[in-house]
Amino acid sequence: DAKTTQPPSMDCAEGRAANLPCNHSTISGNEYVYWYRQIHSQGPQYIIHGLKNNETNEMASLIITEDRKSSTLILPHATLRDTAVYYCIVKAYNGANAGKSTFGDGTTLTVKP
Amino acid sequence: GAGVSQTPSNKVTEKGKYVELRCDPISGHTALYWYRQSLGQGPEFLIYFQGTGAADDSGLPNDRFFAVRPEGSVSTLKIQRTERGDSAVYLCASSKGPNSPLHFGNGTRLTVT
Repeated sequence: DAKTTQPPSMDCAEGRAANLPCNHSTISGNEYVYWYRQIHSQGPQYIIHGLKNNETNEMASLIITEDRKSSTLILPHATLRDTAVYYCIVKAYNGANAGKSTFGDGTTLTVKP
Repeated sequence: GAGVSQTPSNKVTEKGKYVELRCDPISGHTALYWYRQSLGQGPEFLIYFQGTGAADDSGLPNDRFFAVRPEGSVSTLKIQRTERGDSAVYLCASSKGPNSPLHFGNGTRLTVT
């Protein structure tokens, strides 16, 4: 599995956009970029995923660079409840590693009043 | 609908004892995953089932760990001769298939004394 690199921590002011970067320079053509977040004492929660096009849903937007070597998760109007650890992972959609998602240590986002 | 359910939520056991951790996936989800998470770290992959069979057990740390999913639904993670280093939160996730997002339970916190 390709590995990802994320900053260990970030702060964001409440109401402002939170932009969380992820580097995945060794991503393969058959790998999606997935984002999850984990609030204290809960299991990780799926946010969004994409292959090469930008994606948006009710929670966030995902911007993937044209070379697919990095991506940014955007929370457009961060609230205090968005304080969590955010994980960026890459996951193959076919082949021997299709089922396995490998998590790193993520980015701890703290939204401040 | 109901999410992934894990029981018990907390388990305290003595070193050397045997434990079983249970996971009830979302109904209809064919894929099931077990992860282990230590404090301050991301989830560590243990094993992935597609249906009743273990499609990838490369993350099981040693032969004291074993998991089953006999009817393709509920899964049990079994740990023999527990050690203090096994203390962690054990997370279960399910998905519609290997290419779908994971839905996590809130985990079982295992403490080996």
